[in-house]
Amino acid sequence: EDQVTQSPEALRLQEGESSSLNCSYTVSGLRGLFWYRQDPGKGPEFLFTLYSAGEEKEKERLKATLTKKESFLHITAPKPEDSATYLCAVQAEGNKLVFGAGTILRVKS
Amino acid sequence: DTGVSQNPRHKITKRGQNVTFRCDPISEHNRLYWYRQTLGQGPEFLTYFQNEAQLEKSRLLSDRFSAERPKGSFSTLEIQRTEQGDSAMYLCASSLAGWGNIQYFGAGTRLSVL
Repeated sequence: EDQVTQSPEALRLQEGESSSLNCSYTVSGLRGLFWYRQDPGKGPEFLFTLYSAGEEKEKERLKATLTKKESFLHITAPKPEDSATYLCAVQAEGNKLVFGAGTILRVKS
Repeated sequence: DTGVSQNPRHKITKRGQNVTFRCDPISEHNRLYWYRQTLGQGPEFLTYFQNEAQLEKSRLLSDRFSAERPKGSFSTLEIQRTEQGDSAMYLCASSLAGWGNIQYFGAGTRLSVL
């Protein structure tokens, strides 16, 4: 069965304090790994998709990387507006996404 | 591009009542998905359509749940005889086949069953 585990469950950072979020996955055949951001009371907002080990993508202060077993979302010099829940999801067979439980990020100024 | 639209945003109902939610996908997207999300968890897949055909349903989807996409555009999700355990956020997403399956989500419908 496809599984996604995210760690830590929650992360508190000071503004400017860089860190990384982890997403470990077990799938029979990875067709894509997705990162989303979710603000309270809203739907997930697409950030990145990665398809093969070694791939990296960047957007502003965020950088996503992928290995054969896990993905990292690196946050460089975060700001309070980066506070949100970050969700990782994998696509294996078919078109559905299997999500992890998310990491709640709080950035204090 | 107005994004994925879901209505209503909030629904409060009594146990045993039927409820129906609507999802309008991004206009050119031919795939539409329904997910359910409870507090502290990630979205959980319910079902998916390509055009008007329902191609996959979760084993977790009981026979009280039914979804339709009659003309390949908007979709409805109906829950019959609601139970307190159905309380959750119901999310709709859409994607365009052949574009990496990037799913764009709506804001969701929050259901509270009293």
